[in-house]
Amino acid sequence: DAGVIQSPRHEVTEMGQEVTLRCKPISGHDYLFWYRQTMMRGLELLIYFNNNVPIDDSGMPEDRFSAKMPNASFSTLKIQPSEPRDSAVYFCASRPTGGRDTIYFGEGSWLTVV
Amino acid sequence: QKEVEQNSGPLSVPEGAIASLNCTYSDRGSQSFFWYRQYSGKSPELIMSIYSNGDKEDGRFTAQLNKASQYVSLLIRDSQPSDSATYLCAVRGAGGFKTIFGAGTRLFVKA
Repeated sequence: DAGVIQSPRHEVTEMGQEVTLRCKPISGHDYLFWYRQTMMRGLELLIYFNNNVPIDDSGMPEDRFSAKMPNASFSTLKIQPSEPRDSAVYFCASRPTGGRDTIYFGEGSWLTVV
Repeated sequence: QKEVEQNSGPLSVPEGAIASLNCTYSDRGSQSFFWYRQYSGKSPELIMSIYSNGDKEDGRFTAQLNKASQYVSLLIRDSQPSDSATYLCAVRGAGGFKTIFGAGTRLFVKA
């Protein structure tokens, strides 16, 4: 299995630019999560989907952030406009409905907004 | 109050010693409890899960859960330098699949 695939791995962008992060979950996994990790705030859950439907977006920091899951194999997290305080590692993760209660993380997208 | 709290450390132990990591959580209805290990620059990986009160052992790792005290711990026996990492406590509440992570405890094992 290829695991959770995220792109880009690293991105440096200027303040005010739009940023789109992409994720391909593990095939067959019904749940997809977007987390953000910073030194100050740790690993925060932003939003999660079940069967492509957003279930809980209470962690999305503000309207500049949006997430979509148009199909079972693809999700995006968009930041528009980006700000320096958005600099963080953004992790996508997935898990199946049954089986072990394990979340499988992608390698993360390292975002720097200057 | 944060939902999942951990001492950020760093916790430093000599090689061969027992490392003890602790975590408290605020949601009494929480059902599932996890310990993830995260090496620097890498993504978190699951090392232990526990669902009922008591101890659960897996090799050198023992997870302990006390729901009455809302307390989870991880013991690492015979600590090795390769155990040096950040350990994240994670909790899933009743209903749904929202898993909340603590900020993590950095562990250093000195050779």
